[in-house]
Amino acid sequence: DAKTTQPPSMDCAEGRAANLPCNHSTISGNEYVYWYRQIHSQGPQYIIHGLKNNETNEMASLIITEDRKSSTLILPHATLRDTAVYYCIVRPFSSGSARQLTFGSGTQLTVLP
Amino acid sequence: DAGITQSPRHKVTETGTPVTLRCHQTENHRYMYWYRQDPGHGLRLIHYSYGVKDTDKGEVSDGYSVSRSKTEDFLLTLESATSSQTSVYFCAISDPVTTRDGYTFGSGTRLTVV
Repeated sequence: DAKTTQPPSMDCAEGRAANLPCNHSTISGNEYVYWYRQIHSQGPQYIIHGLKNNETNEMASLIITEDRKSSTLILPHATLRDTAVYYCIVRPFSSGSARQLTFGSGTQLTVLP
Repeated sequence: DAGITQSPRHKVTETGTPVTLRCHQTENHRYMYWYRQDPGHGLRLIHYSYGVKDTDKGEVSDGYSVSRSKTEDFLLTLESATSSQTSVYFCAISDPVTTRDGYTFGSGTRLTVV
């Protein structure tokens, strides 16, 4: 699976958009970009994933560059409850096999009041 | 998370004793996973299952065994607990058909080996 690079920490003011970058310059054509987050002491939570088109759901938006070498997770109106470690993971869609997630160090996002 | 429960939530055990952690799901998902999380190491895969009685090793499987006799239950056993197995253990489930391959994690089991 392709390696990802994320900043170790970021701050964001409450109510503002949080933009979390991820570099994955060695991504392959069949690999998706997944985002998870882990709030302190809880299990990781799935946020969103995409292949090449931008994606949006009730939690966040995912913007993938045209060359697919980087992406940005956007939390449009960050709240204090969004303070967490955010993980960007690149892997092929499982297509019937149990392909496991490989977690890196992630980005610690702190939302400030 | 709804649909996946881990038990016990906390456990303290003595070195050398066997310990079994349970993961139970009500989602009928095909795949189940056990991870451990330690400071400085992040989440690491111990074992996973791709169906009843079908399991395989992850990157840190030494000292652990698993069993899956039913779709809904995935058991993790520490045959003889050691202090290095003190950790937080997370179970996860996924199914490529129903979840588009997103994982759902349990709330974790905090195990302390003294």
